This record gives sequence, C-alpha cells and structure tokens, in this order.
Amino acid sequence: QQQVKQSPQSLIVQKGGISIINCAYENTAFDYFPWYQQFPGKGPALLIAIRPDVSEKKEGRFTISFNKSAKQFSLHIMDSQPGDSATYFCAATDFINTGTASKLTFGTGTRLQVTL
Amino acid sequence: DVKVTQSSRYLVKRTGEKVFLECVQDMDHENMFWYRQDPGLGLRLIYFSYDVKMKEKGDIPEGYSVSREKKERFSLILESASTNQTSMYLCASSFGDRGLRGYTFGSGTRLTVV
Repeated sequence: QQQVKQSPQSLIVQKGGISIINCAYENTAFDYFPWYQQFPGKGPALLIAIRPDVSEKKEGRFTISFNKSAKQFSLHIMDSQPGDSATYFCAATDFINTGTASKLTFGTGTRLQVTL
Repeated sequence: DVKVTQSSRYLVKRTGEKVFLECVQDMDHENMFWYRQDPGLGLRLIYFSYDVKMKEKGDIPEGYSVSREKKERFSLILESASTNQTSMYLCASSFGDRGLRGYTFGSGTRLTVV
C-alpha cells in the first residue's frame, strides 16, 4: 500500500520554466512533509520541508504548497536550471510512540530533466 | 566530509549466500535506517533502529535482519540472498528529533544477486 503517491514519474522542463511535482497522502497521522533531492550516484538529501500548520513555505527558488484538507502537497521549482536535474522524492513522517524516533515514508520519485 | 559511509559501492553475490551490508555514521545520530530503492517504487524502509541494540521492522523486512551493536554502526543482513533482492540499498541516519533536521543518506550499495 503506497501511503504517499507522487506524480509525475518523469518531467522535462525548459530552462527558466516552472517545475511542479505533486504528492498525496492517506495517513492523517503524518505531521511533517520533507522533500529530498537525489543526484545520480548520490544518496537523497533534504531540500525543503513543511509542517501541516502552514500552507506554503519558500526557500529560494523552491516552494512547497500544502493543502491539509485535500491531503496534498506539491513542490514548485521556479526558474528551473539544468543543475536542478535530479530525482525528487516527497516524503512524510509518522511520529512513533518511542519518543524520538520517526520514520520517513517516501513517494515513488520524479525524475526531473531541465533542458537548455 | 563523508558522514554516512556504506562499505561497498557495488556488490555481486550468488543466490543463497549470506550478505552483510555495513553502514557507519560519524554524526552521533541516534536513529539509523536501511532503505532499498527500486525504479518506480521509490525508497522503501526495511528496518530502522532508534538506539543501540534496538530495532524495528519497516515496511518490507522479509528476508532481512539487522544488527546495531554500536551507536555508529548499523548492519543489514540478507540471510539467504535471492534474485528479488537485487537493488540499491541506502543507509541513513538522523538525530532523535523526529527527523526534523533531516536524514543523512549514504551513497548506496548496488547489490546484484545472480
């Protein structure tokens, strides 16, 4: 059962354009929604994250939009650059009663290619 | 500046072999995780550990076990490797803050079982 659904699977955007990746979740216990960026040959790295008490978070060219009632969130990359070409994963955390542990549930990933 | 180190980048093993994947972190993180990454399936959690000698099953633990004898080291064990365990394996670690400061991933071990 895929608890975090991500689309599209792949995306081609021209340089300067806007890249949009969408995610939807089912588990209402999720309380933290990060996005990870993965370059070829590397592990994923935290890009930006949002908590459900805000509807938008912006860091530079990267913006997360969050719709709690629809259980959806999306990543927008403004002025996309060739260096943004990577695989992007949305994720959600589910706080465990162990107190400090949490585990990430990832989406299936979006391979973004930004062309010149 | 490597913070999560996975012992092998590429590994080829035969069906039925017992396989050990090692992961070491130098950030004094409480939590450690093993994920496998497959095209179209994303990252799926195999096991995680929130303290030394503590472990919890993730979403796909069948055919795997783990060991955490020291805080900095988390090992993934394939008891009897099978071809459907051919995959990219990623180790990650995080502080005990619900992952708010993010997970740090290793570069992965690409395992091929023949």
